[in-house]
Amino acid sequence: ETGVTQSPTHLIKTRGQQVTLRCSSQSGHNTVSWYQQALGQGPQFIFQYYREEENGRGNFPPRFSGLQFPNYSSELNVNALELDDSALYLCASSLAGGDSYNEQFFGPGTRLTVL
Amino acid sequence: GDSVTQMEGPVTLSEEAFLTINCTYTATGYPSLFWYVQYPGEGLQLLLKATKADDKGSNKGFEATYRKETTSFHLEKGSVQVSDSAVYFCALSDRGDMRFGAGTRLTVKP
Repeated sequence: ETGVTQSPTHLIKTRGQQVTLRCSSQSGHNTVSWYQQALGQGPQFIFQYYREEENGRGNFPPRFSGLQFPNYSSELNVNALELDDSALYLCASSLAGGDSYNEQFFGPGTRLTVL
Repeated sequence: GDSVTQMEGPVTLSEEAFLTINCTYTATGYPSLFWYVQYPGEGLQLLLKATKADDKGSNKGFEATYRKETTSFHLEKGSVQVSDSAVYFCALSDRGDMRFGAGTRLTVKP
């Protein structure tokens, strides 16, 4: 069973640029969630995708957007980067349905630094 | 909205000491509760979970009981090891987004 993978591992961008982060979900999982974890804090929910459609969104501005593909992999796009966007971005996959819906499996994260 | 409050750290213990990390939650529905662990430079790993009141989650010597009457899900371990040094996150989920506490850093000294 393949776990959740994310790419790239690290990324450095400058203010105003755009970035795309990628995530491959665990085999058999159809739901992907994205989280932002600032240094020293707990992860904050950005949004979730289920069967290629957004299925919930946290308190993040529209410049944070996403996609989910037919194979359930996902992208997180952030436009007009700001210094405060510097964080670890975590992807988590899960399987919708029953108790298993709530259990999410996390990838190792992408560390984004905005200069 | 739903939220989690967990004990502030850092916590420093000697090997074989007893560990308790407090976690309380606020929720309008009937969430599932989780403890995740994060080792340096890594993502989150599920440590244990409980999906309904009075359930006890356990794994690797860690335990936590879902207490609806006190809205708590405290993490305990009878005898910690140096390898348990990490950041521990309490979280809840109610069929959607997962809400995390701020995390508690645990350091275990030999």
